Amino acid sequence: ELKVEQNPLFLSMQEGKNYTIYCNYSTTSDRLYWYRQDPGKSLESLFVLLSNGAVKQEGRLMASLDTKARLSTLHITAAVHDLSATYFCAVDMRSGGSNYKLTFGKGTLLTVNP
Amino acid sequence: ETGVTQTPRHLVMGMTNKKSLKCEQHLGHNAMYWYKQSAKKPLELMFVYNFKEQTENNSVPSRFSPECPNSSHLFLHLHTLQPEDSALYLCASSQGGTGAYEQYFGPGTRLTVT
Repeated sequence: ELKVEQNPLFLSMQEGKNYTIYCNYSTTSDRLYWYRQDPGKSLESLFVLLSNGAVKQEGRLMASLDTKARLSTLHITAAVHDLSATYFCAVDMRSGGSNYKLTFGKGTLLTVNP
Repeated sequence: ETGVTQTPRHLVMGMTNKKSLKCEQHLGHNAMYWYKQSAKKPLELMFVYNFKEQTENNSVPSRFSPECPNSSHLFLHLHTLQPEDSALYLCASSQGGTGAYEQYFGPGTRLTVT
């Protein structure tokens, strides 16, 4: 069974600081996704990482994937209050035949303080 | 309407009631998903439909009954629920077919079972 672990689960940081959220998974997979969820809202797709060494950046967020280490990171640069949300990583795994299913981590609740 | 819509957004029901959740996607996708999001637990996949056929039932109790009449619509029929079934129920869709594709989520239905 695929296990996806995120850490930290709670992150309180000051505006302007940098930090990294880690996502480890237990079984070989080439596909990893990062989502953002604001309180009371749905999940918004941030990044799709499809190969080893993939790196994607959008604004103050940068995501990377190391499939050999089974590790993805979400790096936050110079945090601003608007980044406060819960961030989920999700790993794709073939579930039988040609079907895939996503397994999510528990999420990291990020609070950016002034 | 764009993206993935869900109705109702909030639902309170007694344990003996029967109700249904509705999901509609306007993205031309062929795969649809039901997820359950409980407090302090990872997002749990419940059901997957690919081209209207159920391809995944993640050991979901029979009091939850999905229905997918076409690739754009997905229902979750609820009957004799328990208080522990109170959660946010999220619908998602993706391109479907073989391979792994990014999933797009609806806003969710907040269900409270009394």
